Amino acid sequence: DIQMTQSPSSLSASVGDRVTITCRASQSISTFLNWYQQKPGKAPKLLIYSASNLQSGVPSRFSGSGSGTDFSLTITGLHPEDFATYYCQQSYTTLAITFGQGTRLESK
Amino acid sequence: QVQLQESGPGLVKPSETLSLTCTVSGGSISSSSYYWGWIRQPPGKGLEWIGIASFYYSGRTYYNPSLKSQVSISADTSNNQFSLKVTSMTAADTAVYYCARITYGSGTQNWFDPWGQGALVTVSS
Repeated sequence: DIQMTQSPSSLSASVGDRVTITCRASQSISTFLNWYQQKPGKAPKLLIYSASNLQSGVPSRFSGSGSGTDFSLTITGLHPEDFATYYCQQSYTTLAITFGQGTRLESK
Repeated sequence: QVQLQESGPGLVKPSETLSLTCTVSGGSISSSSYYWGWIRQPPGKGLEWIGIASFYYSGRTYYNPSLKSQVSISADTSNNQFSLKVTSMTAADTAVYYCARITYGSGTQNWFDPWGQGALVTVSS
């Protein structure tokens, strides 16, 4: 299986901050990398697909980058509603889709 | 727009089989353009992929290798629903179970969107 490792596991930030979450794959996955946001008691919501494409309706303060094994999700100018848990997910192989362990973004 | 809704028992006894249904509205599960899948999340933990399936013509399924002996996905195309069966349930299978659509982009790029709201299943005697 392709292992996905996110860092940090948790992060404290303030409204207006710029934050970056990273995701590393155990082998090259090209740009087969998606990012999701999950709020408590809710289903995950797609933010970024194929490493850097913003899902329709997602604010432009969210951006994604990377290819191969190293990826990042950046939020430029945190809004109060952005405090949530973020997951990366590789879709390189349909035989074994895997998620990162999640990064919890908390208010400082 | 497509919407998904999970339904099933909230409580299952150990060793029993769980059956969950995902009802899809706003789109056909028989479409050649999409796969349909299940993901679960134990309380307070991360997301675990269970499996995905296509219901176009003869269909195709792919399962998490670690769960393959325990799970199966099937469809009722007449009612635009697909289902998950998990056999020999244990406490470790307690989780929120989500259904989701897999959208394909350029090449074989794919992602889960949208998701159902999730169904909590507790395994307890």
